[in-house]
Amino acid sequence: DAKTTQPNSMESNEEEPVHLPCNHSTISGTDYIHWYRQLPSQGPEYVIHGLTSNVNNRMASLAIAEDRKSSTLILHRATLRDAAVYYCILSKGAQKLVFGQGTRLTINP
Amino acid sequence: NAGVTQTPKFRILKIGQSMTLQCTQDMNHNYMYWYRQDPGMGLKLIYYSVGAGITDKGEVPNGYNVSRSTTEDFPLRLELAAPSQTSVYFCASLRGGTGNTIYFGEGSWLTVV
Repeated sequence: DAKTTQPNSMESNEEEPVHLPCNHSTISGTDYIHWYRQLPSQGPEYVIHGLTSNVNNRMASLAIAEDRKSSTLILHRATLRDAAVYYCILSKGAQKLVFGQGTRLTINP
Repeated sequence: NAGVTQTPKFRILKIGQSMTLQCTQDMNHNYMYWYRQDPGMGLKLIYYSVGAGITDKGEVPNGYNVSRSTTEDFPLRLELAAPSQTSVYFCASLRGGTGNTIYFGEGSWLTVV
């Protein structure tokens, strides 16, 4: 599976939008873009995934660049409970997700 | 519907001891996984299974064994525990198909001394 590049850490303020970037310049046409997050002392949890079009769900939005070489996870209104490590993962399916080190998101009250 | 359940949550082992981490899921998922996570690092895949009776190695299988006799259960066996196996272990499951969601258990904290 292709590799992703994410910033090690980001910081934002409560109730403001957060844009978490992910670069994946070697993505193939059949790779899905998955986002998971891991709260402290918990297992990862699914956030969102997409292939080509932008995606929205109750947790977040996923904006995918037209050339698919980058994507952005958008938390529309961050809360303290959104403080976590966010993983951007490429995979043809969810069958064998390879987790990198992710982005540690800090939310300031 | 309990999802993915792991036991025990915490365990201290002595070097050379053996133990089994239990994992069960009640979602009738075909795929099951064991990951380990060392401090400050991402998750690494140990073993996975695509269905009862079928298992395969992941990135870091050495020192571990698995079995999958039923759809629900996927135990992870540690033989001759070593300090390098001190880690947090996560079991996970997936229904199957492209783009589906993996569900993780709450983790098992293992210390080998």
